Amino acid sequence: AQSVTQLDSQVPVFEEAPVELRCNYSSSVSVYLFWYVQYPNQGLQLLLKYLSGSTLVESINGFEAEFNKSQTSFHLRKPSVHISDTAEYFCAVTRSYNTDKLIFGTGTRLQVFP
Amino acid sequence: NAGVTQTPKFQVLKTGQSMTLQCAQDMNHNSMYWYRQDPGMGLRLIYYSASEGTTDKGEVPNGYNVSRLNKREFSLRLESAAPSQTSVYFCASSFLGGAQETQYFGPGTRLLVL
Repeated sequence: AQSVTQLDSQVPVFEEAPVELRCNYSSSVSVYLFWYVQYPNQGLQLLLKYLSGSTLVESINGFEAEFNKSQTSFHLRKPSVHISDTAEYFCAVTRSYNTDKLIFGTGTRLQVFP
Repeated sequence: NAGVTQTPKFQVLKTGQSMTLQCAQDMNHNSMYWYRQDPGMGLRLIYYSASEGTTDKGEVPNGYNVSRLNKREFSLRLESAAPSQTSVYFCASSFLGGAQETQYFGPGTRLLVL
């Protein structure tokens, strides 16, 4: 079975500072990895995903994540955050064959202060 | 396109009452999902429907039933509500089956069971 751990439940950061949200996964088989974002009072939206190919994936709003197989990690980074990035971020994993279920982490609340 | 819609947005029930949460999508998606979100636990899959006419249990199906009424609609029923079912419920859909597909989420239903 797959599992995912998000070590930080909350990450406070000032606007324009860099941020890293950590995600580690556990799996005995190859996986696909995802980051979803949930803005206040909304449903989740896909931010980015790793399926295959380049281990560095990027989103349209400046976030990036790198798949590190040896460290079983998929950390999310942004070099300079905005107030509008305040949200809850969920890492998710699924096995890369016969995929049927996404397994979500417990979420990291990113709070950006002016 | 409205995307994924859910009704109601809020609901208060007494223990033992029943209710049905409605979900509809207008994106011609084949797969639909029901999740619950609880503080500190992330999202957990209750039931999913890979295609019209099929439903399967997720991680936490006990106390719930689902109906895939047609391709557009996927309802979740609580036959006898319990306080442990107090949660935020999200419906999601994806074009194809398989967890590697991007899932599109509705805005959620906030349920309080007294």
